[in-house]
Amino acid sequence: DTGVSQDPRHKITKRGQNVTFRCDPISEHNRLYWYRQTLGQGPEFLTYFQNEAQLEKSRLLSDRFSAERPKGSFSTLEIQRTEQGDSAMYLCASSFSRGKSGANVLTFGAGSRLTVL
Amino acid sequence: AQSVSQHNHHVILSEAASLELGCNYSYGGTVNLFWYVQYPGQHLQLLLKYFSGDPLVKGIKGFEAEFIKSKFSFNLRKPSVQWSDTAEYFCAVILDTGRRALTFGSGTRLQVQP
Repeated sequence: DTGVSQDPRHKITKRGQNVTFRCDPISEHNRLYWYRQTLGQGPEFLTYFQNEAQLEKSRLLSDRFSAERPKGSFSTLEIQRTEQGDSAMYLCASSFSRGKSGANVLTFGAGSRLTVL
Repeated sequence: AQSVSQHNHHVILSEAASLELGCNYSYGGTVNLFWYVQYPGQHLQLLLKYFSGDPLVKGIKGFEAEFIKSKFSFNLRKPSVQWSDTAEYFCAVILDTGRRALTFGSGTRLQVQP
């Protein structure tokens, strides 16, 4: 048990459908991150939250993607009008960090694998 | 721009061989450096990290890494690999730009043959 839970673990959908992934971080962690990983590549940063505030979004996060962390606890990542290029593993990570320069160690979940047909 | 480079994409070793995986970053400021490992079918796990102090850091399972600031490198080493070390290894960096997210390299797939 990694402490970071993601649901669902696998999702198969048809092109054009909307999908939503959920992440439950380690309870005392104030930061939550979303990454995307495709086969043979390292994880790519999508966005991150400190508490409920979304502090940064990558250029990879097109307007079809939206992430929320409404109460500073769990987070959702929604992809609208999915495309085949969205097929990937979506990883969530969390950490606890004080301030901008504090040590920041991310703990990752098992990921949600998306297949768009 | 790629901040982290891992030049070895696929490494094949026999058990008991020594391992060194290269990692270079392209940033002149302060960095926090990490190695993560992903065993087949499992999630990313932290292997070791460097924030400051002794540039030689030891991690789990006998791994160590050395931060050489002049070379912008943070190579991972293990004196004697085991079949169970077969996995994908990712170097990652946090820059002191205020952005607190990890930037990963593309990974090195290590295959240890018994």
